[in-house]
Amino acid sequence: EAAVTQSPRNKVAVTGGKVTLSCNQTNNHNNMYWYRQDTGHGLRLIHYSYGAGSTEKGDIPDGYKASRPSQENFSLILELATPSQTSVYFCASGDADEQYFGPGTRLTVL
Amino acid sequence: GEQVEQRPPHLSVREGDSAFITCTYTDPNSYYFFWYKQEPGASLQLLMKVFSSTEINEGQGFTVLLNKKDKRLSLNLTAAHPGDSAAYFCAVGQGGRALIFGTGTTVSVSP
Repeated sequence: EAAVTQSPRNKVAVTGGKVTLSCNQTNNHNNMYWYRQDTGHGLRLIHYSYGAGSTEKGDIPDGYKASRPSQENFSLILELATPSQTSVYFCASGDADEQYFGPGTRLTVL
Repeated sequence: GEQVEQRPPHLSVREGDSAFITCTYTDPNSYYFFWYKQEPGASLQLLMKVFSSTEINEGQGFTVLLNKKDKRLSLNLTAAHPGDSAAYFCAVGQGGRALIFGTGTTVSVSP
């Protein structure tokens, strides 16, 4: 049974619209992460969290917000989506030295 | 901060040949190292986790080498088969914080 799930799996949004990507984990991990994957860049860290109520900026946080309302859930929020945010987004959970990834969300911003 | 360079970006081999991928990192304080495999349209699957105390690690059909002196991490797919065709990513960590990923290597294994 999948331990890290993401929704939606695919999303088409319009420029200027608000997008929320959701992630749920059943690993009981303290840490959760949001990455985006683009050709030629590998995975780049957007935001991460050490536990419920905490969010930290990653390497490319501009244009994104994050929310960690509980141990299990971690959301990525694009308040004003732009075409440059078209990408595949991966959520991961982990503790100390391992990370487990969700299936990814393909976001297209038109 | 840590930077990870991965080479080559693309690799084509014939079935039965070896495929060799290398990552170099910059921060000597990094001590967790990972290789992930990503098949087309899929998520990342952990292949192997390497601690800095172990230089040679063997998995099913592959070997991971860690050279701490040169700050180099390598993945060798031995006797590659078409099922090994995928993207491979190295990642480097220092415990707790997010991993730093290489840019990936797309491996194509032809029959």
